[in-house]
Amino acid sequence: AQSVTQLGSHVSVSEGALVLLRCNYSSSVPPYLFWYVQYPNQGLQLLLKYTTGATLVKGINGFEAEFKKSETSFHLTKPSAHMSDAAEYFCAVSGSNYKLTFGKGTLLTVNP
Amino acid sequence: GAVVSQHPSRVICKSGTSVKIECRSLDFQATTMFWYRQFPKKSLMLMATSNEGSKATYEQGVEKDKFLINHASLTLSTLTVTSAHPEDSSFYICSASQANTEAFFGQGTRLTVV
Repeated sequence: AQSVTQLGSHVSVSEGALVLLRCNYSSSVPPYLFWYVQYPNQGLQLLLKYTTGATLVKGINGFEAEFKKSETSFHLTKPSAHMSDAAEYFCAVSGSNYKLTFGKGTLLTVNP
Repeated sequence: GAVVSQHPSRVICKSGTSVKIECRSLDFQATTMFWYRQFPKKSLMLMATSNEGSKATYEQGVEKDKFLINHASLTLSTLTVTSAHPEDSSFYICSASQANTEAFFGQGTRLTVV
């Protein structure tokens, strides 16, 4: 069984500030971990993923995340927020079959 | 990257009618397709997993007779919402995967039942 907890349903930051979106997971098998972004009335766009290997993964648009097995975490960060980063972000976990279990999402707002 | 096309992007139908949503993998063969439902301000809920040429596997609580899923070819899966009611109004999203590789998402379908 797998589950994902995203701490904070809404995160607000100022433009240029650090973005930190938290994700904790539980998994009975070695996890594959994902972050997706969703803009209103659109599908999901993959930001980054961890499957195996290097625990610090870099994604698109300047985002990165670090897999910490001891903490069962996969937090998403970006050093400097842009207005265009405002969206809903979903963390997800799967096994090697890529059957995803999603967190409840975090709405990121960026203030000018 | 792999492209998954979902059609239509928006549909409005009358209560009691059926609606079909298509999910196509445009540049790869999708052995597995997933269908999700997303309620307003909620996460994505997996409805069912379909493998080409076999019956879909539905998640607990999803009505098989209401949400008919067909995966007749390696590039096409369809979700038919039968006898739709206003409570079926939602955002439906498909994803497609090739042989236990990363799943790629369609752009979603906004269904409104009036």
